[in-house]
Amino acid sequence: ELKVEQNPLFLSMQEGKNYTIYCNYSTTSDRLYWYRQDPGKSLESLFVLLSNGAVKQEGRLMASLDTKARLSTLHITAAVHDLSATYFCAVDILPLGSARQLTFGSGTQLTVLP
Amino acid sequence: DSGVTQTPKHLITATGQRVTLRCSPRSGDLSVYWYQQSLDQGLQFLIQYYNGEERAKGNILERFSAQQFPDLHSELNLSSLELGDSALYFCASSTSVWGEAFFGQGTRLTVV
Repeated sequence: ELKVEQNPLFLSMQEGKNYTIYCNYSTTSDRLYWYRQDPGKSLESLFVLLSNGAVKQEGRLMASLDTKARLSTLHITAAVHDLSATYFCAVDILPLGSARQLTFGSGTQLTVLP
Repeated sequence: DSGVTQTPKHLITATGQRVTLRCSPRSGDLSVYWYQQSLDQGLQFLIQYYNGEERAKGNILERFSAQQFPDLHSELNLSSLELGDSALYFCASSTSVWGEAFFGQGTRLTVV
């Protein structure tokens, strides 16, 4: 069974600081997604990582994927209040002879303090 | 706006009742997924359909069922509702069985 673990689960950080959210998974995969969710809202796609070593950046967020280590990171640079949200990673596998599994981590609730 | 439409946005119903949640995928997407999000269980995959056929099943209770119609919209039927079924139910769609999933706004179900 695919397990996806995020840490930390809760993160409070000061504006202007940097931090990294980690996403570890238990089965070989080269497809990983990061989503953002505001309270009571939908999940917004942030990044799609499709190969080992993939790195994508959008504004103050940068995501990377290391398939050998089964690890993805979401790095936040110079945080601002607008980044406060819950961030999910989701790992995609298509086992031979089976159906697709898109499994989400527990989410990291980020609060950026002034 | 992801292009995935879910109705209704909110639903309040009593225990023992049955409800139907509706999802219209993005134009051109053939695959539809249903997820349940609750505080204690997180985001749980329920079921996936591709072009009208069931493709994958997750932690979906026997009291729940779904289908995808020829026009590709999907419905999730929840019956004999219990207090613990209160959650946010999301529909997502993708172009194929294997691709980035785009989420709708969700239906918040409250069972009282």
